[in-house]
Amino acid sequence: AQKVTQAQTEISVVEKEDVTLDCVYETRDTTYYLFWYKQPPSGELVFLIRRNSFDEQNEISGRYSWNFQKSTSSFNFTITASQVVDSAVYFCALSEASAGNMLTFGGGTRLMVKP
Amino acid sequence: NAGVTQTPKFQVLKTGQSMTLQCAQDMNHEYMSWYRQDPGMGLRLIHYSVGAGITDQGEVPNGYNVSRSTTEDFPLRLLSAAPSQTSVYFCASSQGQGAYEQYFGPGTRLTVT
Repeated sequence: AQKVTQAQTEISVVEKEDVTLDCVYETRDTTYYLFWYKQPPSGELVFLIRRNSFDEQNEISGRYSWNFQKSTSSFNFTITASQVVDSAVYFCALSEASAGNMLTFGGGTRLMVKP
Repeated sequence: NAGVTQTPKFQVLKTGQSMTLQCAQDMNHEYMSWYRQDPGMGLRLIHYSVGAGITDQGEVPNGYNVSRSTTEDFPLRLLSAAPSQTSVYFCASSQGQGAYEQYFGPGTRLTVT
């Protein structure tokens, strides 16, 4: 079974729409870390956020917000009022001590924002 | 700071050839790692290192070798290239494991024919 599942392989929205990217993870550890990375068309990977398993507070950064729910093992990412520059592949990732703290990535969600 | 650099950016190999992908970082990070990115599979860890002289296998290590003689450099060697190794390769570094964000290089696109 996949440790990190991003069920949405591709999402297409029109500019200014809100969009949520889903991430579901699987772990038996009590201490773990969740990450989101962005990969724009240029190909580089850009760190967006890190969350540890003891901090379930939602986080907002400008138009970006993250909803972490341990009860459903989810760490969803919402972009409010999407813009064309948000077009990218977004990866959710998990780091857990039982796996040597290696980073395990989901398959990614390609977001296309059309003008 | 240049961050994490990788060379070459593109490479085409014939089956059976060997080559080394170079990775260097100037942030004095102890932890370095190599990933490959294939469509629909995200990034998968090949090998990693927690410091000079220490390396370990990740999820998909077969066909690859690494060594870490200095803190700055972490080359990835393909011993005998196969078409299944056609992929985009990313090197990353971080201050440590677990909670630390990883800084990624620009990637190397490798095609094996």
